[in-house]
Amino acid sequence: QVQLQQSGPGLVKPSQTLSLTCAISGDSVSSNSAAWTWIRQSPSRGLEWLGRTYYRSKWYRDYAVSVKSRITINPDTSKNQFSLQLNSVTPEDTAVYYCAREGRNWFDPWGQGTLVTVSS
Amino acid sequence: QSALTQPASVSGSPGQSITISCTGTSSDVGGYNYVCWYQQHPGKAPKLLIYDVSDRPSGVSNRFSGSKSGNTASLTISGLQAEDEADYYCSSYTSSSTRWVFGGGTKLTVL
Repeated sequence: QVQLQQSGPGLVKPSQTLSLTCAISGDSVSSNSAAWTWIRQSPSRGLEWLGRTYYRSKWYRDYAVSVKSRITINPDTSKNQFSLQLNSVTPEDTAVYYCAREGRNWFDPWGQGTLVTVSS
Repeated sequence: QSALTQPASVSGSPGQSITISCTGTSSDVGGYNYVCWYQQHPGKAPKLLIYDVSDRPSGVSNRFSGSKSGNTASLTISGLQAEDEADYYCSSYTSSSTRWVFGGGTKLTVL
């Protein structure tokens, strides 16, 4: 059974960098059949796919256009986890952030979610 | 504003059936059979209910079913139970660079 465990701070100051980690158990970040994704949820924007990383003989990354200039998703094979970094945050980035495994055409499972508030 | 349109709320009595619609465009719902439905209880992460329009992951009750016609997908819940009270979200693959789009969510109330 695949489980995802998120960690990271719940409060980030404006203009700083949001950093979250998602630890994987029951699967491998280097899996050839999955992608590892970050999704956020806020009252104003709803659910929003942010990006993913996946391994198919080499590492790939895809990012949503809305955050492409500010986002980095990296795998960490030594710890079997992946991370999200979102730079230059504003209050609009306040949301619950989820990591999830992307299967062929679905997201399952999801991490427990981390409420990140951008405030000074 | 979410890319896919869902009703804000639906309600039903225990034992009844309800249907939640999810309307998109030919670039997402209508163009691909990659529609998913997720159930979210308050304070919890979304849970996959339906994938590829109408397939259920193992462990999901057969009271949940999905379908699609044109640009509109639907989730039907039969034999409503109190524990079905939750928010339901649809999602679809999209040909845009966004890859995945979501509906705004539907709050189901079991009366």
